[in-house]
Amino acid sequence: AQSVTQLDSQVPVFEEAPVELRCNYSSSVSVYLFWYVQYPNQGLQLLLKYLSGSTLVKGINGFEAEFNKSQTSFHLRKPSVHISDTAEYFCAVTPRGYNKLIFGAGTRLAVHP
Amino acid sequence: DTEVTQTPKHLVMGMTNKKSLKCEQHMGHRAMYWYKQKAKKPPELMFVYSYEKLSINESVPSRFSPECPNSSLLNLHLHALQPEDSALYLCASSQGGTGLNEKLFFGSGTQLSVL
Repeated sequence: AQSVTQLDSQVPVFEEAPVELRCNYSSSVSVYLFWYVQYPNQGLQLLLKYLSGSTLVKGINGFEAEFNKSQTSFHLRKPSVHISDTAEYFCAVTPRGYNKLIFGAGTRLAVHP
Repeated sequence: DTEVTQTPKHLVMGMTNKKSLKCEQHMGHRAMYWYKQKAKKPPELMFVYSYEKLSINESVPSRFSPECPNSSLLNLHLHALQPEDSALYLCASSQGGTGLNEKLFFGSGTQLSVL
């Protein structure tokens, strides 16, 4: 079985400050890893994904994430946030070979001026 | 066209009503999904269609009945729902094939309220 833990339910931060949203996963098989963002009253958009290769992946809107196999983590980072980054962020995994995306509980990023 | 379109955006129904949610994509994707999202919770997978055949049913109650009439359309038929079924219902699509190693494209959802 697979599970995803997002350690922070809410992260408040000031504009232009750096931010890290934490994600840990548990799985008995190899997984693909994703970060999705959900703006109010909208569906989800893919920020970035890790399939294999380089452990540092870059996504849209200046976000990046680093896969750490030994710590089973996939933390999301941005060096300088904007007000428009205020949204819900979901870490997700899918077992390789399956069409099933499993989401973490989400982290609410609130960027303040 | 890189959109997944869901209709209606909002739906209010009584417990004895029958209604349908619709989802459409014209990206040539061969996998389509229904997710249910309660307020302040992550999306939960309900159904997956792959090449127009139901491939995953996450033990969803029979009052929810999915249908995939063709590769571009996905419906969710609703009958005798309960108030606890009130949620945002999200449709998504992906290119398809075995294994989800590419992105899901999500629609904006249908906000359902069951009275």
